Amino acid sequence: GENVEQHPSTLSVQEGDSAVIKCTYSDSASNYFPWYKQELGKGPQLIIDIRSNVGEKKDQRIAVTLNKTAKHFSLHITETQPEDSAVYFCAASMNTGNQFYFGTGTSLTVIP
Amino acid sequence: DAGVIQSPRHEVTEMGQEVTLRCKPISGHDYLFWYRQTMMRGLELLIYFNNNVPIDDSGMPEDRFSAKMPNASFSTLKIQPSEPRDSAVYFCASSLALTGGTPQHFGDGTRLSIL
Repeated sequence: GENVEQHPSTLSVQEGDSAVIKCTYSDSASNYFPWYKQELGKGPQLIIDIRSNVGEKKDQRIAVTLNKTAKHFSLHITETQPEDSAVYFCAASMNTGNQFYFGTGTSLTVIP
Repeated sequence: DAGVIQSPRHEVTEMGQEVTLRCKPISGHDYLFWYRQTMMRGLELLIYFNNNVPIDDSGMPEDRFSAKMPNASFSTLKIQPSEPRDSAVYFCASSLALTGGTPQHFGDGTRLSIL
């Protein structure tokens, strides 16, 4: 089955700096890669996603890049703000079943 | 639009008691997922349904766990008898069935503590 690895497990950045979180996946059949943000006491919330026919996607301060050949994808957050502090999860999914394979999460702290 | 609704938000009970967690998916969604989240094991998929039919329950820890989806707008996850190691946050998520991948929408979870 699919195996998703996520790094780093914790990340601290100064407010205004950029943060990058990386994930790798094992199954070349995976074709959908969502990113979730989880705040304390809440469920994971989708922040951005990318499909395998696209190499990069941007939404304001958030961007995701995908390298299908190397089987890795990354989340980039620019101009970080304290409210970006949360746990971020990557996931990979294939066409059948819509089952997600989640990474182990990255705890991001933005220091004011 | 209402999101995924889970109840109760918190549950504290004694070992051996039956626990029932409830989930109302987003209207029109074809898939429903139950997850468990702990510090040690992260997010684990327990079971998921497609059009109310269980598709994969290989993540259910043992026979003490059972899940049902009697109709498109309601699902339950039951633990009987409960044990302290079942303490975790349980999430329900739902999604549409579209090719090319669709996001799962999560509820805010049930925090379960078994004493």
